[in-house]
Parts: sequence; structure tokens; C-alpha cells
Amino acid sequence: NAGVTQTPKFQVLKTGQSMTLQCAQDMNHEYMSWYRQDPGMGLRLIHYSVGAGITDQGEVPNGYNVSRSTTEDFPLRLLSAAPSQTSVYFCASRVSGRARTDTQYFGPGTRLTVL
Amino acid sequence: GENVEQHPSTLSVQEGDSAVIKCTYSDSASNYFPWYKQELGKRPQLIIDIRSNVGEKKDQRIAVTLNKTAKHFSLHITETQPEDSAVYFCAASRSYNTNAGKSTFGDGTTLTVKP
Repeated sequence: NAGVTQTPKFQVLKTGQSMTLQCAQDMNHEYMSWYRQDPGMGLRLIHYSVGAGITDQGEVPNGYNVSRSTTEDFPLRLLSAAPSQTSVYFCASRVSGRARTDTQYFGPGTRLTVL
Repeated sequence: GENVEQHPSTLSVQEGDSAVIKCTYSDSASNYFPWYKQELGKRPQLIIDIRSNVGEKKDQRIAVTLNKTAKHFSLHITETQPEDSAVYFCAASRSYNTNAGKSTFGDGTTLTVKP
């Protein structure tokens, strides 16, 4: 299993540009999440999904959109990039609550710089 | 929503000494408390976790304790080694329901183990 994969690893955008960060997992996990990590801070939840077709907002959702059309993929869209969105973005997945295990697996991250 | 506070933000110990990191949480419904280790430029990785029906859990040199009444939990690392140097994050979440997709993280503790 590849686990949780993210592309790209690095990205530089200009203010106002849009882009999609890709996340995929091959572990058949129902739950997927997007976090951003800023220097000196923990991971803050942007959006999450408990299954295909179901998404919800986390702590810091403004400026980001998500969709979950398949179990495997959970892309994060930046609609109009702003310098405040410069951060490292992590995607994570875990099995559903029915499995009674909570281990969350993180992708390698995408380092985004907005100029 | 949940709020997690983590202390200290930095911790420096001599090799062989013990290290203790503490977290407090606000949501009494939280019942799953993982700890993650993040090395520079890498993804967070789970090192130990504890559920609310357990007061303590050990795994070799690492242990976690939970005080549900006081709503705090702690990470204990004994016989520290230079390779333990990293940023450690605590987190809290509700398990076994749709909110299980939402984890709230502390701001992290940078542990430095001096040889």
C-alpha cells in the first residue's frame, strides 16, 4: 500500500491564482481530513469528510473548498490564493468509527507559498 | 468546540533524562488522545495513544497518562536519546461517531535531547 499520497510536494502561487492540492489513499479509509500547519503552531483542521459525498468544515475553512466523489480521493481547492495561505498542508485518513480504531495516517505534505 | 493547550512549547533535556509534556483539553466528550512525533520536514507520526477508559498506557520508553476529571493528559519519555529530538503534538477527538473526523491539536513541543 502506498498509504496517503499528496501532490504536489511544493508549489508557489501568485496572489489570486487558484489551484488544487491532491490527496489519495489506498487503505479504503472512510475518514479523510485536510490540515494546515503554520510555524510554531499545531495542525489546524480545514475540512474533513466521513465518506464519499459527505464533507464538513473544520476550524479554518475560509478560502478552501473540498469534495469527496470517491473513497480514495479528497482534493483541496484554493479558490483565490492569498499570502495568508502560505503553509504546509497535510492530508490524513483513518478508518471509520465502526472499526473502533482511531489511528490517523498523514500524507507527506504540500509546502505552499503564495507571493 | 474543543480547545487543546500544550506545555511547554520547548523542552531541552540531557541524554538519559526524562521528558514530560502536558496537554489540557476542554471538551469532556473527547475520548481519544493521540500523541504524534514530527521530525523536521516530515509528516506527523503516531507514537502512542490513549482512550478515556484507560488511565495509563506504556510502550517501551514512552508512556501516556490521562486524568479525565482534570481533563489533562501527559506524555512521558524516559531514558531520552538524541533521536527523540523532534516536535511532539498532542490531540483530542471524539471517537466512534461522525465527529471522529475532527481532531484538535495542541501547538506542539520542540524537544531537544543534548548528548
